[in-house]
Amino acid sequence: GAGVSQSPRYKVAKRGQDVALRCDPISGHVSLFWYQQALGQGPEFLTYFQNEAQLDKSGLPSDRFFAERPEGSVSTLKIQRTQQEDSAVYLCASSLVPWTANYGYTFGSGTRLTVV
Amino acid sequence: KQEVTQIPAALSVPEGENLVLNCSFTDSAIYNLQWFRQDPGKGLTSLLLIQSSQREQTSGRLNASLDKSSGRSTLYIAASQPGDSATYLCAVLGEYGNKLVFGAGTILRVKS
Repeated sequence: GAGVSQSPRYKVAKRGQDVALRCDPISGHVSLFWYQQALGQGPEFLTYFQNEAQLDKSGLPSDRFFAERPEGSVSTLKIQRTQQEDSAVYLCASSLVPWTANYGYTFGSGTRLTVV
Repeated sequence: KQEVTQIPAALSVPEGENLVLNCSFTDSAIYNLQWFRQDPGKGLTSLLLIQSSQREQTSGRLNASLDKSSGRSTLYIAASQPGDSATYLCAVLGEYGNKLVFGAGTILRVKS
């Protein structure tokens, strides 16, 4: 596609519910990233994929967070037993090459998760 | 641990003014620095990317400078317009990783 697509755009979850957030990167992009942006803050790194391999998951805040990219294209971020502190915008970004220094990232519009 | 700070947190200016947004980072071992724009409810749009070996980059009315040794960058916006109203984010890419570290952003409002 022309850009990075994320769905749903908005998600309201009851505390304790499981949610799944989807990211469709630009076709052919090797690198895929997930970031979490709390209200009034900058995005914070969650995890990084190179093709289907999850090379860095150091930013995942707890074992309730799980991400996958089984075929090296679409990625899903799953949050189990959601809590109020999980409320944030979840941004996905992709890049053409493994090393992003010269090419930068393309970000999606994000999924706004509200846990009530 | 890399920390990125942006000053001011918010800025309101009349249309036509030239303005400067500031970004500082604690670890000078960076590969590049990027400035992004974020509109409400939207994702991030990359404005300028400065490699660590570069001093500045320009795009239209935007000019970004980088002083890697002092850990500072500035984004200069000339002749501001109401359409420039948005949140501006600064982010650095470390030499040994793929993750961007962001500042909290500067909320800019340009009044007509």
